[in-house]
Parts: sequence; structure tokens; C-alpha cells
Amino acid sequence: KAGVTQTPRYLIKTRGQQVTLSCSPISGHRSVSWYQQTPGQGLQFLFEYFSETQRNKGNFPGRFSGRQFSNSRSEMNVSTLELGDSALYLCASSSGTAPSTDTQYFGPGTRLTVL
Amino acid sequence: TQLLEQSPQFLSIQEGENLTVYCNSSSVFSSLQWYRQEPGEGPVLLVTVVTGGEVKKLKRLTFQFGDARKDSSLHITAAQPGDTGLYLCAGVDAGGFKTIFGAGTRLFVKA
Repeated sequence: KAGVTQTPRYLIKTRGQQVTLSCSPISGHRSVSWYQQTPGQGLQFLFEYFSETQRNKGNFPGRFSGRQFSNSRSEMNVSTLELGDSALYLCASSSGTAPSTDTQYFGPGTRLTVL
Repeated sequence: TQLLEQSPQFLSIQEGENLTVYCNSSSVFSSLQWYRQEPGEGPVLLVTVVTGGEVKKLKRLTFQFGDARKDSSLHITAAQPGDTGLYLCAGVDAGGFKTIFGAGTRLFVKA
């Protein structure tokens, strides 16, 4: 069974630009969660989608948005990039049917650098 | 705001030593998970504890969930160089749709 894939793996952008990251979950999984990982803040929850609906979101500005498609693939978008958005963006997939005990399978992440 | 405080942040020990990593919060979580992350990869789940007071063992790793479901610990017996990595605790909130991570413990085991 193929794991979680994220594209692209590396991305360099400049301030003010926008970026779209993609995540393909494990086949059969309907939940996708997104996280931002930085050395200073660690892993921070961005949002979680299940069957195309956002069920929860973290404390990030509105510049961060996401969506999920009918095939469970998910994208996240960051508009008007700032230097502080440089981070590793991770997505995780799970069945979504038992959130408290589901196993989240993480992708390798997209390393975003904002210059 | 839910927070998970993880300690220590960094640990460098000799092969064969024992160690304990702590994860504490003022919030109650429906479950507590421990992950391990290698450089260039996403975190990989080690264990999920659900019941207050629960203890789970995974070879040389012992995980415990506090009685009040607000804290947890990871104990490694006779650490080996292969245990080197970033260990993360994560609490799943009562609604179940949000996972809060601790800052992580970077463990280095010297041969």
C-alpha cells in the first residue's frame, strides 16, 4: 500500500508570493491533517479535513487555507508569503472514523523556504 | 489554548543508559500519542494510550498515561544508538479532530 505523498518536496518562494502544496493520502483514508514544523515552534496543527469538510483548524491567520477533493487528496495554500512561513509542511492521513485512536500516517513533508 | 510541555528538550546519553521523557499539560486529552521522527521524514507513530493509568510496552520502550489523562511519560531501557532521533508526544483533543504536539525531545545515544 503506497504511503502518503506530498508534492513538491522542496519549494523556494519570495515574500508576497503565494504557494500551493499537495497531499495524496493513503488509499481509503478520508481524513487529511496539515501541520507546520519549525525549529522554534515545533509541530503546529493547521487544519483537518474529512470528506471534503474542514472539521477543525488551528490558530493560523487567514492566509493559510486548505481544501479537500472528492478523492480525498488535499491542498493547502498560503497567500502573501512572509519570511516566517519558512517551514516544513507535513500532511498526515488517517481513516478519520475514530479520531481519538486513529493512526496518523505522515508524509515526508514539503520544505518551503521564503526569501 | 491547549499546550503540551515536553521535557527534556535535548538528551545526550551513553549506550546502555536508561532515560525518561515527560509530557505534561493542564488539559485533558482523549488520547496521547508518541511519535519518533528521523531527519528528512515525517513522524512515525510509536504508540497510542487512551485510558488513564494505562501502561504500554514496546520492546525496551515503556509508555504511561497519567491517571487524569493530562500527562504521559516515555521510558527507554538500555538505550542503543539506533534509538537516536526526535521523540514527540501528541495529545488528541476531546473532539478528536485536532492533535497538539509537544516541542519534542532530541535524543542522541552515543556508542
